[in-house]
Amino acid sequence: QSALTQPRSVSGSPGQSVTISCTGTVTEFGFYNRFTWYQQPPGTAPKLIIYEVTKRPSGVPDRYSGSKSGNTASLTISGLQAEDEADYYCCSSTGNFSWVFGGGTKLAVL
Amino acid sequence: QVQLVESGGGVVQPGGSLRLSCSASGLTVSNSGFHWVRQTPGKGLEWVAFVRNNGNNITYPDFLRGRFTISRDDSKNTVYLQMTNLRADDTAVYFCAKDWGWGFQYWGQGTLVTVSS
Repeated sequence: QSALTQPRSVSGSPGQSVTISCTGTVTEFGFYNRFTWYQQPPGTAPKLIIYEVTKRPSGVPDRYSGSKSGNTASLTISGLQAEDEADYYCCSSTGNFSWVFGGGTKLAVL
Repeated sequence: QVQLVESGGGVVQPGGSLRLSCSASGLTVSNSGFHWVRQTPGKGLEWVAFVRNNGNNITYPDFLRGRFTISRDDSKNTVYLQMTNLRADDTAVYFCAKDWGWGFQYWGQGTLVTVSS
């Protein structure tokens, strides 16, 4: 049972925007900027797409954006493309060098 | 170009032990923190170990209860995960990952561990 809760699945059509939420408790959100998102296409390793809540690593398109409000973090993907179809995971560093993942969300591009 | 390559996975009986290796290229392991993360179909991603770049901060989730040990050999530029008293629910693909930005910057391709009699 993950301490961070994500919807099991979301879907959207090409060109649309989708938002994936990640909800936790004060334990997971007590350290404001220690929040990351990962993309995992089928059969591949996860890839970091958002770090420190809102920042994108080099090479990640600006179609991907992160935000946080209270105990919910969100990943928004705008201008959906077929290549965005993947599993997405949120993750929080909860202090004392420990980490917890959300259960993952499967994004379907219709 | 950073590359992490895991090895050492396989089939092991319940109660057995296994040591996983993560060989790094394109970076120096002593300059970075490293993690092991596992993935099972039923539980998604699960963090299992961390070693800080200074080598002094090593942490694990409480549920492992001392069964796993992360270590590093700077001369081989390799990070290890020693797993003991393995159980069926340890069956997973195990990834090593470089620490950065309070998360996991680079990942290996993973190595499959199957605990079964």
